[in-house]
Amino acid sequence: AQSVAQPEDQVNVAEGNPLTVKCTYSVSGNPYLFWYVQYPNRGLQFLLKYITGDNLVKGSYGFEAEFNKSQTSFHLKKPSALVSDSALYFCAVRPGIMNRDDKIIFGKGTRLHILP
Amino acid sequence: GAGVSQSPSNKVTEKGKDVELRCDPISGHTALYWYRQSLGQGLEFLIYFQGNSAPDKSGLPSDRFSAERTGGSVSTLTIQRTQQEDSAVYLCASSLREISGNTIYFGEGSWLTVV
Repeated sequence: AQSVAQPEDQVNVAEGNPLTVKCTYSVSGNPYLFWYVQYPNRGLQFLLKYITGDNLVKGSYGFEAEFNKSQTSFHLKKPSALVSDSALYFCAVRPGIMNRDDKIIFGKGTRLHILP
Repeated sequence: GAGVSQSPSNKVTEKGKDVELRCDPISGHTALYWYRQSLGQGLEFLIYFQGNSAPDKSGLPSDRFSAERTGGSVSTLTIQRTQQEDSAVYLCASSLREISGNTIYFGEGSWLTVV
C-alpha cells in the first residue's frame, strides 16, 4: 500500500537555527512529492514539489527539500528559521505515471514551533 | 476564479439538520478532492473526483455523507442529519489531471460547527 510518514508530531527550533521536518514515503514507481504549509485558520498552501531532475528542490519562503531515492525520503529544510515559519507542515506523495490511481496521499502533519 | 473557492466559510447548524458545502475549483481542473480536518489535526480524505471517472468515495465516514460534481466543475458535499462529531473544517482542493505531477490547490475551507 502506498503511504507517507511524518515521524514527528512536533518540532521545536530556536529562531535563526536550521530546521528539518522529516518525511518518508512508500510508493511503487517514481513518485511525485509535495510539501504544504498550513497557517492557523487557513487552507493548505503549496510550498514546493519534486517531479524529476535535481534532487534538491527550492520553494517558497526560503524552504527547500531533498529527494533521496535510496532512503525514500523528502525532508523539508530551511537554513535559518523565522518565528513566522511556525505552522503545520504536510508532506504528500502522488504515485507516478505508471499508477492507475493517482490520488494524492498526505502525511499526518508536523507542527513546527520556532522559539524566539 | 483565481483559486479554489468554498462556501460558506463558516456554518453553525443544529444537530439533526442537513448542510451543504460548496466548492468551486480552479477553471480547467478536472481533479477535485474533499478532505475533513478536525481542529489542528491531519487531513482525513473523504472523496475524489477525476474527470468522468466514477468518484473514489472510499473516505466517506458514513452514508450521511455524499458529494456530487455537476458538469465536471462545481462540487457539493452534503451532510445529512448532522452530528456534533461532524464539526470540523471541510477542505476542497483541485488539480489538473495530466500525468500526476500537477500541484493540488486548496480552498480556505468551510468551518462547520454542529450545536
